[in-house]
Amino acid sequence: NAGVTQTPKFRVLKTGQSMTLLCAQDMNHEYMYWYRQDPGMGLRLIHYSVGEGTTAKGEVPDGYNVSRLKKQNFLLGLESAAPSQTSVYFCASSLSDSQLAGGRKQFFGPGTRLTVL
Amino acid sequence: QQQVKQSPQSLIVQKGGISIINCAYENTAFDYFPWYQQFPGKGPALLIAIRPDVSEKKEGRFTISFNKSAKQFSLHIMDSQPGDSATYFCAASPNSGGYQKVTFGIGTKLQVIP
Repeated sequence: NAGVTQTPKFRVLKTGQSMTLLCAQDMNHEYMYWYRQDPGMGLRLIHYSVGEGTTAKGEVPDGYNVSRLKKQNFLLGLESAAPSQTSVYFCASSLSDSQLAGGRKQFFGPGTRLTVL
Repeated sequence: QQQVKQSPQSLIVQKGGISIINCAYENTAFDYFPWYQQFPGKGPALLIAIRPDVSEKKEGRFTISFNKSAKQFSLHIMDSQPGDSATYFCAASPNSGGYQKVTFGIGTKLQVIP
């Protein structure tokens, strides 16, 4: 099992450029999440999905879009990158049933370090 | 607005000592309190978690203490080792309104010196 994988690992963009971050999981998890991590801010939820074809806004959704066309994949898009989006982005996944033992455990990918100039 | 307040932001402990990280929350709907451990260049990984029906949970050298009335919880690392040097995040999620919405603290960078 590869767990949660993220592509790419590093990326540098110029202001106004667009890009898509890909997250894939092989654990058959229903729920998937995108977070950003900034110094002194912890992890903040951008968007999440509770199943294929569904998405929902998290704490800091502005400037980002997401899609979940396949259960195993969750894409994060930046249509017009801004320097404020310089961050480390983490994808995570979890089971759908919170009552199961470990049902709320989130499995994180290794992260994507994005720099917007 | 920080719903989960974590302190300290950084901590230096000698090998063999006890590391203590504290968190406080405001939302009484929170009913699941995990701690995640993150090594440099890696994603966070669940370390230990507790629900509010117990006051303490221990797994090896790691213990969560939970005070429901004070809305506080803490992580204690006994016999701290250099390999414990990492960033630790407390977190909380609600039982309603979407348990998927996990709120994280700002993190504590722990350094255990030999």
